[in-house]
Amino acid sequence: NAGVTQTPKFRILKIGQSMTLQCAQDMNHNYMYWYRQDPGMGLKLIYYSVGAGITDKGEVPNGYNVSRSTTEDFPLRLELAAPSQTSVYFCASSLRTGSTNEQFFGPGTRLTVL
Amino acid sequence: AQSVAQPEDQVNVAEGNPLTVKCTYSVSGNPYLFWYVQYPNRGLQFLLKYITGDNLVKGSYGFEAEFNKSQTSFHLKKPSALVSDSALYFCAVRDNAGNMLTFGGGTRLMVKP
Repeated sequence: NAGVTQTPKFRILKIGQSMTLQCAQDMNHNYMYWYRQDPGMGLKLIYYSVGAGITDKGEVPNGYNVSRSTTEDFPLRLELAAPSQTSVYFCASSLRTGSTNEQFFGPGTRLTVL
Repeated sequence: AQSVAQPEDQVNVAEGNPLTVKCTYSVSGNPYLFWYVQYPNRGLQFLLKYITGDNLVKGSYGFEAEFNKSQTSFHLKKPSALVSDSALYFCAVRDNAGNMLTFGGGTRLMVKP
């Protein structure tokens, strides 16, 4: 099992550029999540999905979009990058009954917007 | 809205001494509580959770946590700290009706030889 994988590991964007952060899991988890972690701060939930075709907003969704066409993949799209989106992005997944199950995290993508 | 507070940005402990990392929470309904650890340049790793039952929960690497409903706390503890325990620790809470996990701001644990 690879667990939760994320690509790329690092990326530098210019203001206004777009990119997609990739996330995949091979544990057959229904629940998947995207978080951002700013320096010295905890994690903030951007979007989450409870299954293929179902997504919902978290605390800080503005400037981001997601899709969930398969159980395995949950890409995060930044359409018009802004310096405020400089952060470390973590993808996570958990078992079908999300409430009581722990989340498994990917290694993160460090994004800098200049 | 649910929330988590970790009142200490950093905890310093000598190797071999007991450690405590504090966490208090606010949630409607019964809480589901979690502790995660983050090593440098890595994702978060699950340590332990409280769902129901015994208030003392045992987890990975010798860590345990005590759930106190009256004080709305879920402090992380270890009887004897190791230098390798040095990392960033996050407490998180979810209510039993929701899908979202709310994280505290994190506490950096420094264990000195």
